[in-house]
Amino acid sequence: GDSVTQMEGPVTLSEEAFLTINCTYTATGYPSLFWYVQYPGEGLQLLLKATKADDKGSNKGFEATYRKETTSFHLEKGSVQVSDSAVYFCALRVSQGAQKLVFGQGTRLTINP
Amino acid sequence: DAGITQSPRYKITETGRQVTLMCHQTWSHSYMFWYRQDLGHGLRLIYYSAAADITDKGEVPDGYVVSRSKTENFPLTLESATRSQTSVYFCASSESGSVRNIQYFGAGTRLSVL
Repeated sequence: GDSVTQMEGPVTLSEEAFLTINCTYTATGYPSLFWYVQYPGEGLQLLLKATKADDKGSNKGFEATYRKETTSFHLEKGSVQVSDSAVYFCALRVSQGAQKLVFGQGTRLTINP
Repeated sequence: DAGITQSPRYKITETGRQVTLMCHQTWSHSYMFWYRQDLGHGLRLIYYSAAADITDKGEVPDGYVVSRSKTENFPLTLESATRSQTSVYFCASSESGSVRNIQYFGAGTRLSVL
């Protein structure tokens, strides 16, 4: 079945460090890929998305490239800030079935000043 | 306020009681979803609805009931709550079923079953 595997956390970095959160997927068909972010006490917000192979999604300094050959969608940011502390979820959506989002388990990121 | 709202934000109940979680969206989105969030599992789909009066099961539907008489509302009912249903519940909506459409999430309901 369709699945998403995320880098296990928690991840702790210092401000201005480089961030990578790994995400790989298994899917039938041609999924769209998403990164959602959940700040403390809040719901999930879309961070970025990519709908076809080689697309790059970007937002707020975060980037992720849809790599079909490696079935990956790794999240990167060149210089993290304390305000980036949150839980990050990688997800995919496939065209058949329940139209649901399939989520990874989430990665908790803490940025220290 | 526009958007997607969930109520209550927090709920404590006892085993065996019936509980209803409310979800309301103002965008007239066709699709609505209920997920539960548990440590180590990410979010898992409970039920979804493609339109008013059309609902279908997701990954973990047992013990839950949904209805959708109006496009904007999608309540989730736990008919007889169990401790295993202690979780954070998120409602979401999207304009259509297209894979490209974004799902927008509510702030969540934290439910504790004692």
